Amino acid sequence: AQSVTQPDIHITVSEGASLELRCNYSYGATPYLFWYVQSPGQGLQLLLKYFSGDTLVQGIKGFEAEFKRSQSSFNLRKPSVHWSDAAEYFCALKAAGNKLTFGGGTRVLVKP
Amino acid sequence: NAGVTQTPKFQVLKTGQSMTLQCAQDMNHNSMYWYRQDPGMGLRLIYYSASEGTTDKGEVPNGYNVSRLNKREFSLRLESAAPSQTSVYFCASSEMGGGDQETQYFGPGTRLLVL
Repeated sequence: AQSVTQPDIHITVSEGASLELRCNYSYGATPYLFWYVQSPGQGLQLLLKYFSGDTLVQGIKGFEAEFKRSQSSFNLRKPSVHWSDAAEYFCALKAAGNKLTFGGGTRVLVKP
Repeated sequence: NAGVTQTPKFQVLKTGQSMTLQCAQDMNHNSMYWYRQDPGMGLRLIYYSASEGTTDKGEVPNGYNVSRLNKREFSLRLESAAPSQTSVYFCASSEMGGGDQETQYFGPGTRLLVL
């Protein structure tokens, strides 16, 4: 069975600093991978997705993610964090069948 | 386009009461899903409907029933609510056909408290 692990439950970063959120997955084939963001009290918004091709994927709000097959990882990055990036971030995997498996989420706090 | 809409936004129930959560999408998607979100556990799939007229169990279906009313609407019913069903419920929809078409889009959620 597939699984997604986000090792960091909370991350605190200063405004303007870089951010990297980790995501590791377990799946026997090449998965479809997603990052979603959830602002407080809101639904989930798709940041970016990887299906195939270029392993460095660009998303909205200045985020990017890199798929590394050898490490079973799909880490999310942003070079310079803004206060509005404070939110919870979810990594998800779509395996066989159109069902998503989510990681537990990483909550990001941005310090002024 | 409103995307995926959910009603109600908030609900408080007493143990044993029943209720139906409503979801509608205007993107002409074939597939629809219900998830619950609990702290530290991400989102877990309750039920899904791959296409109109079909429904299937997800990871945590116990205590829930669903109805795919038509292509637009997919409802989730709690027949006898329990405190363990206190959660945030999200509806999502997607197209079928593989690849980029299967990206899921989420509604704003329903926050349910069962006392």
